[in-house]
Order: sequence, then C-alpha cells, then structure tokens
Amino acid sequence: DGGITQSPKYLFRKEGQNVTLSCEQNLNHDAMYWYRQDPGQGLRLIYYSQIVNDFQKGDIAEGYSVSREKKESFPLTVTSAQKNPTAFYLCASTAGAQAGYTFGSGTRLTVV
Amino acid sequence: SQQGEEDPQALSIQEGENATMNCSYKTSINNLQWYRQNSGRGLVHLILIRSNEREKHSGRLRVTLDTSKKSSSLLITASRAADTASYFCATDAGGYNKLIFGAGTRLAVHP
Repeated sequence: DGGITQSPKYLFRKEGQNVTLSCEQNLNHDAMYWYRQDPGQGLRLIYYSQIVNDFQKGDIAEGYSVSREKKESFPLTVTSAQKNPTAFYLCASTAGAQAGYTFGSGTRLTVV
Repeated sequence: SQQGEEDPQALSIQEGENATMNCSYKTSINNLQWYRQNSGRGLVHLILIRSNEREKHSGRLRVTLDTSKKSSSLLITASRAADTASYFCATDAGGYNKLIFGAGTRLAVHP
C-alpha cells in the first residue's frame, strides 16, 4: 500500500544535540511538507519542498533544516538552535494543488 | 500564521446526534479542506471543496462553503463513538500547494 512512513515514532533529544526525523513516501508525490503540532494547537509549517533539490522555509523554520535529494525522502533535522523542540512532528505529501494531503503517523520529540 | 479558525474549540454530543463544526478564514482561497486527527496520530483527509462549489457530500459528511462570508461548515450526521477526534480545516491561502491549518475542533461522541 502506498503511504508515508515517519520514523522513529518517539525520539528523545538531549540539550545541544541535533536529531534527524525521517520521512519516506512511495506515492510518487512531488510536494512534501513538515509541520509542527503543539498540544491543543493546529499545525504550523516548518519547511516544504515542491520538487527534488528545492525547498522553502515555512512559518517557523528557525532551528530546523531539511534536504530533498530524492523524491521519496524529505528528512528534517532539529538543530541545537531550536530552543523549544518538544512537539509532535508531522510529514505530509500531495499530488497537487487540488488534491488532499497524505500524512505520516508522526514523530513525538521530547527534550530530556 | 493561522488562516482558518474553527468554532467551537470543543464539542461533546451523544451517539446518533449531528455534529456541526465551523471554520472561518481571512483571505481568498482556491479550495478548503477538512481533516480528522485521532489522538496521537497523523491527519486523515476527509473532503476538499473548491471555491466555486457551495456544498459537497461524502458519506455522513456534508461540507458547505460560503466564500462571501469566508466560512465553511462540516456536518457529521448520526455520529458514532468512532467519530471522536479533532477536526481541522485548512486553506490554500498560504500559496500554491501550501495549506494553512486552523487550531481544530475537538469532538467527543459519547455512547
């Protein structure tokens, strides 16, 4: 079945560490997105990519970085510059502007 | 920036009742979408309505769109306990292929 796989499901980060969240899709979608969700809140856009080797900052890109070397993969790195990284991170992809998004099951990141 | 704002923030009903959630947005859109999120899970796409459409149905779901009022509503008829989830509206006002989500409505359906 086609879909989006996020890993790991739970991730713990120590102060000053960089961590990378994985997002892989086999839907052949060009566009991919990373969102952050804090408790009881909506989704805020971190980064998005419309095509391989190209990506743009979203509303809250500071302290995060991404790469898009393959169509299937869009990993997100949470750097030590992100001062409040504890949140639920969601990856999504879409076939186009008039199509819905397909979401992964999320990664819950906690700072310890 | 949040484009869509859902109302109410929380809704509690009994099984069999209808649930209505509203979404308001600020700028012009090409389409508006509704998603469901079960606790601790990813979002699931429910329905997309284009700006030139006024109403759309999918099973027990009915979505309306009023572009003059910049608002949409999601109606779930004959609700079930399994409908318990958070529901989000999202608009493409963020630009081509970029959705902006509201804060969501938490729906609780009691058996």
